[in-house]
Amino acid sequence: EDQVTQSPEALRLQEGESSSLNCSYTVSGLRGLFWYRQDPGKGPEFLFTLYSAGEEKEKERLKATLTKKESFLHITAPKPEDSATYLCAVQRGTSGTYKYIFGTGTRLKVLA
Amino acid sequence: DADVTQTPRNRITKTGKRIMLECSQTKGHDRMYWYRQDPGLGLRLIYYSFDVKDINKGEISDGYSVSRQAQAKFSLSLESAIPNQTALYFCATSDGPVNQPQHFGDGTRLSIL
Repeated sequence: EDQVTQSPEALRLQEGESSSLNCSYTVSGLRGLFWYRQDPGKGPEFLFTLYSAGEEKEKERLKATLTKKESFLHITAPKPEDSATYLCAVQRGTSGTYKYIFGTGTRLKVLA
Repeated sequence: DADVTQTPRNRITKTGKRIMLECSQTKGHDRMYWYRQDPGLGLRLIYYSFDVKDINKGEISDGYSVSRQAQAKFSLSLESAIPNQTALYFCATSDGPVNQPQHFGDGTRLSIL
């Protein structure tokens, strides 16, 4: 069964304390892995797409990496404004039957 | 202005009422989606549409219907609302079939009493 699991469910960090969020997946026919940020009362905001194992993407304090079984979102020296829920999603399938599967997210709180 | 706009943003209604949630987009994407988000369950797909003439059921379509009025407009209806349809509803769009991220509206918070 296709599955996307994110850990931890919640994470509290002090400002400047680097850490990583995990997204592990079991899907057939991976077409892409996506990271989103969701703020309270808002829709998910797209951050990164990763297509193949070994790929890395960076944006400001965030860096996403991908292996054949999981992805990490590394947060370097976080600031309070990085507080949000981070969602991971995978797209799987073959021609005409592509499907997105979302994890339940990691709630990140960065304390000043 | 937002690329994906959902109306209303909040709605409280009673069991048995018919409700329509609307979504419009200015991104020019052909593909549109409706999701619901519940605590601990993540985003679950209700319906999706690859173009105006193509509508498909998602994993939780029972009790819902949709209409794709134009490339830019995709509405979700609850014909007879029930309390367990209380949730946060999101519309999303994507460009092309493969490897493309989805772009979300800010959601409709729906409460059914």
